[in-house]
Amino acid sequence: AQSVTQLGSHVSVSEGALVLLRCNYSSSVPPYLFWYVQYPNQGLQLLLKYTSAATLVKGINGFEAEFKKSETSFHLTKPSAHMSDAAEYFCAVRENTDKLIFGTGTRLQVFP
Amino acid sequence: EPEVTQTPSHQVTQMGQEVILRCVPISNHLYFYWYRQILGQKVEFLVSFYNNEISEKSEIFDDQFSVERPDGSNFTLKIRSTKLEDSAMYFCASSGQGPYEQYFGPGTRLTVT
Repeated sequence: AQSVTQLGSHVSVSEGALVLLRCNYSSSVPPYLFWYVQYPNQGLQLLLKYTSAATLVKGINGFEAEFKKSETSFHLTKPSAHMSDAAEYFCAVRENTDKLIFGTGTRLQVFP
Repeated sequence: EPEVTQTPSHQVTQMGQEVILRCVPISNHLYFYWYRQILGQKVEFLVSFYNNEISEKSEIFDDQFSVERPDGSNFTLKIRSTKLEDSAMYFCASSGQGPYEQYFGPGTRLTVT
């Protein structure tokens, strides 16, 4: 069965520091992988997706993620955090059905 | 930029009452979904809808739930007799030709008292 594990429910970084949010997945077939961001009191916004093309995927707001099959990982990174990046980030997987399976989310705090 | 819209943003209802949550998906999308997020928990899939019928549903989506696309633009989720545990944020989503990228609405916060 497909599942997603996000290590670290809270991550704190200083403004300008590297952001690394971890996501590991379990899937019996090559998956489609997604990162969504949820700002306070808002819905889920698609940051980026992996659909079996390039393993390094670039998204909006300077975020990128690398699909590593050998590690079953799809970690999200951003070289330099900005205060406006503070939000909750969700990793999600989809196999050959319609539904997205979400991780439990990681709340990112950015300190000045 | 096209977006998914949902109404109302917040619904308060008494236990046992029926509620209808409304969504307007992106206009040329063909696949429609409902998810929910209980406070402090992960986002959970409820149901997917394509070609005027349910294509997949979760174990959460029991007989108390139903979905409908009453016209060419709206997509609704009905809960027949609400329970306290139905209190959650309900998200509608839609996707285009293929069910890859799902675009989410801002959600309806349902509070059952």
